Amino acid sequence: GAGVSQSPSNKVTEKGKDVELRCDPISGHTALYWYRQSLGQGLEFLIYFQGNSAPDKSGLPSDRFSAERTGGSVSTLTIQRTQQEDSAVYLCASSFQANYGYTFGSGTRLTVV
Amino acid sequence: TQLLEQSPQFLSIQEGENLTVYCNSSSVFSSLQWYRQEPGEGPVLLVTVVTGGEVKKLKRLTFQFGDARKDSSLHITAAQPGDTGLYLCAGEYGANNLFFGTGTRLTVIP
Repeated sequence: GAGVSQSPSNKVTEKGKDVELRCDPISGHTALYWYRQSLGQGLEFLIYFQGNSAPDKSGLPSDRFSAERTGGSVSTLTIQRTQQEDSAVYLCASSFQANYGYTFGSGTRLTVV
Repeated sequence: TQLLEQSPQFLSIQEGENLTVYCNSSSVFSSLQWYRQEPGEGPVLLVTVVTGGEVKKLKRLTFQFGDARKDSSLHITAAQPGDTGLYLCAGEYGANNLFFGTGTRLTVIP
């Protein structure tokens, strides 16, 4: 497709379970980003992939969070042993270059009950 | 830490009024972007400003980048209900990375 695709759009999970969130970026965009947005708040940076370079993981809030990007395209964000404070909208974005702007997906709304 | 503070945090105005939203930082950015986010959607890029003092206009929206490239403003003339949303500024730092501001939630009442 022409845009950034995220799945699932909504996920409800029980506390302690693992979840995987998927992001399919725009073809040709070498940079991919994950952000977290709590209700009504701004964007919290999680992780950034650029080409074949080692990812910038500096925003991951704990070692329960990890992400992969396979073949320079699709990315998966994994949250292990989910906690209620993990409930948020997880947004993925891709870009050709930062000053060209990011294109965001519609996000995955994660609810941990 | 590249802290971007936006003000006001919340703004509720009547249709037809003018408003200005501010984005301030102590850091210098190589470029600054403004996004608008509507409920249930990801942020959508409105504009990118690169040069200190630069002014860009997008219909009723006017964006300005501060001379020192540390701050920016967004002015909306004759606001309409369709302008309602969360406005986010984002500063570019390092290589290909953006730092997002705290956001301004605008409500335009018909």
